[in-house]
Amino acid sequence: DQQVKQNSPSLSVQEGRISILNCDYTNSMFDYFLWYKKYPAEGPTFLISISSIKDKNEDGRFTVFLNKSAKHLSLHIVPSQPGDSAVYFCAAHPSQGGSEKLVFGKGTKLTVNP
Amino acid sequence: DVKVTQSSRYLVKRTGEKVFLECVQDMDHENMFWYRQDPGLGLRLIYFSYDVKMKEKGDIPEGYSVSREKKERFSLILESASTNQTSMYLCASQRGWGTDTQYFGPGTRLTVL
Repeated sequence: DQQVKQNSPSLSVQEGRISILNCDYTNSMFDYFLWYKKYPAEGPTFLISISSIKDKNEDGRFTVFLNKSAKHLSLHIVPSQPGDSAVYFCAAHPSQGGSEKLVFGKGTKLTVNP
Repeated sequence: DVKVTQSSRYLVKRTGEKVFLECVQDMDHENMFWYRQDPGLGLRLIYFSYDVKMKEKGDIPEGYSVSREKKERFSLILESASTNQTSMYLCASQRGWGTDTQYFGPGTRLTVL
């Protein structure tokens, strides 16, 4: 059973517009969420995270929103740039209890067209 | 900056061969992980280690084993490689549990013929 779901395998947007990547989770014990970005033939790199005590976290062009009641989070990229074209993975884990393994979604491939 | 290195970027092996994938981190991190990434399946955890000589199975450990004799080094072993183990293998390290970020190496693209 998939605990972290990214239902859109791909997304295409125009340069300068907003990219919105979505992620849903089922495990109510998850309270820490991360987004990773991955270019082909490279390892994922950490992008931004959010704790369940917040509903928004912003870092430059990247903002993550968390809706705990809906078990939904989203990553907004504004404005989108061609260099943002990559696969984005959503990940989650409980922040306490020890042995908090990350659970990843299957990823969304973002293409930003010039 | 955290640096996680993997011994090979690309590797081609034959069915039945024993394969070693090595990962080294330079930040004295406690936790290390091995994932594989396949199209449409995302990142799946094979094994992880939270201390020297300590290891735990992840979600897909079958056909793999690991070794962590030194804190900075975590090895993934394919005892007898099979074609369905053709994949991108990613190593990650993490300072500790809680909200510490996992840092990934560049990956090893393994092809088993």
